[in-house]
Formats: sequence, C-alpha cells, structure tokens
Amino acid sequence: NAGVTQTPKFQVLKTGQSMTLQCAQDMNHNSMYWYRQDPGMGLRLIYYSASEGTTDKGEVPNGYNVSRLNKREFSLRLESAAPSQTSVYFCASTRPGANTEAFFGQGTRLTVV
Amino acid sequence: GQSLEQPSEVTAVEGAIVQINCTYQTSGFYGLSWYQQHDGGAPTFLSYNALDGLEETGRFSSFLSRSDSYGYLLLQELQMKDSASYFCAARGGATNKLIFGTGTLLAVQP
Repeated sequence: NAGVTQTPKFQVLKTGQSMTLQCAQDMNHNSMYWYRQDPGMGLRLIYYSASEGTTDKGEVPNGYNVSRLNKREFSLRLESAAPSQTSVYFCASTRPGANTEAFFGQGTRLTVV
Repeated sequence: GQSLEQPSEVTAVEGAIVQINCTYQTSGFYGLSWYQQHDGGAPTFLSYNALDGLEETGRFSSFLSRSDSYGYLLLQELQMKDSASYFCAARGGATNKLIFGTGTLLAVQP
C-alpha cells in the first residue's frame, strides 16, 4: 500500500520556467490538498480539492494552478516560477468524515534560482 | 477565515512532561488534530479530539475545550526522539479545508 506518492522529490528551476508537481493516492480518499512549508513556518494551504472535479483556493494560491484529474490524482502547476516559490511542497489526502487524519506524501523540495 | 496559533519553540529535558498549546479561530469547527514532523520528513498524524476533554494514546494525550477555542498536546516521559515540530490542525469553514497551526519546535535535552 503506497499511500500518497509525490513526484519529483527534488527540483531546481530557473525563474520563469514552468513545472507540474504530481500527486497520487491509492486510499480512495475524496479530499486532497497541496501545502507549502517554508523554513521555520507551518504548513500553508495552497489549494484544496474536496472531490473529483472540484478545487478551491487555500491561504496562498497566487502563482499556482491545480488539476484534480481523477479521484487518485491531484497536480500542482507553477506556470512561471519565482524565487519566492522556493519551498517544500506536500500533498496530502483525507477520507470523508470529521476525523481529520491526513496522509502526506514525502514532499518535493523545490528551488527556484 | 481560520487561524491556529501555537508557541514557536518549547524546550524540555528527557523524562519530563511538556504541554504544547493551540488556540484557534474557525467557523464550522469539527475538531482538533495533532501532527508530528521530524526534520526533513512528512507530517504524521498523532491524535484527534472531536469532543471536549482528554484523549490518551500512550505517552501522548490531547485536550480540547471548544468553549475556550483551545487545545493542547501533552507529551509525557519525554525521549530524545520526541524532538520534532508539532502542529495542531482543524477542519472548518464553508468548504471544510484542513488548516494547520504555525507549529511548535520541541527540543528535548539530555
């Protein structure tokens, strides 16, 4: 049982380049999330998908787009990367219900130079 | 909007007890959960409080008071491996998003 799988694990981009972070879960969870974590800071929600075909902005959505391709996959796209987007990105998923146990991927360490 | 506040750092010695507090503001609150994150790793789930009171899971306990919009994580018999960041989290608001607190870095000293 793989849980939540994120790719890539590491990435270096030049300012202005674009890339897509991939996330897939095999737990049949409805809700999926993208967070960013900066040094010494908490997890800030970028985008959220409550179910297939729906997405919603989080706390810091500017500069990002998402796509909930199907129930398993939720991708995050940076159209024109900026140094301020240097961060660690985590994908997570939760099952339906009030219990907020989230399962996380191993993270993507992104550096924009 | 939603916000969860925690102390930024806590230091304690091995074998001691430490309490990490979390105060929150959110509409449509469903409950408070806690996560542990070791340096360089992904957060992992520790506990969840749907109702007021204390939930115990081994050395870790978590408490919630809805009337005070407050909760805490209690770690007993501290071990060096407990050195990590701890986050409270809540689902709430119109769209039921999962929002995390600012995080508390716990340093356990010998």
